[in-house]
Amino acid sequence: DTQMTQSPSSLSASVGDRVTITCQASQDISNYLNWYQQKPGRAPKLLIYDASNLQTGVPSRFSGSGSGTDFAFTISSLQPEDTATYYCQHFANLPLTFGGGTKVEIK
Amino acid sequence: EVQLVESGGGLVKPGGSLRLSCVASGFTFSSYSMSWVRQAPGKGLEWVSSISSTSGHIYYADSVKGRFTISRDNARDSLYLQMNSLRAEDTAVYYCARGGGYSGYEYDYWGPGTLVSVSS
Repeated sequence: DTQMTQSPSSLSASVGDRVTITCQASQDISNYLNWYQQKPGRAPKLLIYDASNLQTGVPSRFSGSGSGTDFAFTISSLQPEDTATYYCQHFANLPLTFGGGTKVEIK
Repeated sequence: EVQLVESGGGLVKPGGSLRLSCVASGFTFSSYSMSWVRQAPGKGLEWVSSISSTSGHIYYADSVKGRFTISRDNARDSLYLQMNSLRAEDTAVYYCARGGGYSGYEYDYWGPGTLVSVSS
């Protein structure tokens, strides 16, 4: 199974800060990686697909990069509504697996 | 507007069974693969099972293989998950998700989820 190691598990930052979350795969997954946002009590929402493509309707302050085993997700200017837990998910092979999540809070 | 609505969750004893349903609207259901993803209370996301648009390809996580059965009825725009031999560790919110993109594993729409609690 391909394991996804996401870090940090939580972070606290100020409005306007640049925030970066990383996700490392246990084996090469090319660009077969998605990023999701989940707010408390809500279903996840797809933000980034294929490692770096912004889903339609998602604000441009969100971005993704990387390929192979190392990936990054960035919020260029943190907003209060970005408080949520973020997950990476690979789809290179089965079973699909998600990272452990990163809880983002406003300082 | 794309909508997915799950139902069928509830409290069940260990060893019991439940059947989850997910009704889709706002898109051509028969053109998309569909999946179930679950989330135990306070935990992360776990992929459970996927089914291709015509039911020709079906996959399960090892944790549910042999106990859960995914199916779909394209005439009714519905996805199902039959869960047998339930265990305490199956307690979770179960989401149905549409498989977008070329792979069918970019989950672009999700239902609100249905809670399954397995307890004596």
